[in-house]
Amino acid sequence: ILNVEQSPQSLHVQEGDSTNFTCSFPSSNFYALHWYRWETAKSPEALFVMTLNGDEKKKGRISATLNTKEGYSYLYIKGSQPEDSATYLCAFRTDSWGKLQFGAGTQVVVTP
Amino acid sequence: DTAVSQTPKYLVTQMGNDKSIKCEQNLGHDTMYWYKQDSKKFLKIMFSYNNKELIINETVPNRFSPKSPDKAHLNLHINSLELGDSAVYFCASSQLAVSTETQYFGPGTRLLVL
Repeated sequence: ILNVEQSPQSLHVQEGDSTNFTCSFPSSNFYALHWYRWETAKSPEALFVMTLNGDEKKKGRISATLNTKEGYSYLYIKGSQPEDSATYLCAFRTDSWGKLQFGAGTQVVVTP
Repeated sequence: DTAVSQTPKYLVTQMGNDKSIKCEQNLGHDTMYWYKQDSKKFLKIMFSYNNKELIINETVPNRFSPKSPDKAHLNLHINSLELGDSAVYFCASSQLAVSTETQYFGPGTRLLVL
């Protein structure tokens, strides 16, 4: 993998259901992996920064895991609520200079 | 107080004009960034300044010139605007030395070149 890829591009979830989606990134030159939540017409909101293989982070009903050896991260939303509707972006970082390479995002729509 | 602010929020201008977008952060961060959201909605980095020094300079036309008068401000000046410059431009800031530090984004400036 040369770039950051996110799948699926979009998904629809019923309120109360849990869901997860993937961020794939190059497994070499790993420095950090960022997750953001981005609502339309707002600025991206930071969720997690993950740096170590095997990292697991949690924020409320949202959690993420990281596998740097195989180059992927999963984001999980437990018991989805309509307010979880947003685009979830992951961004890959290869060095200490701060350059983030973003994926195209996974758009999540939670319907009541 | 807004952590990262940008002005203006919307900018409509004619092709060929010169315009500036301003960014300010009150988080005490040492690094600031400009990103462009392209037509496919990707966020792509353009520039980054650390303590007023340019540290990231992606392949961007030289009509785009960032200016950082101090650590809390990073402005983007665009000369001879072209139709393809129409996009949303986001400013961000972070504390660079901390590997686990995230980047905080501003609300974006929607630029439309007619």
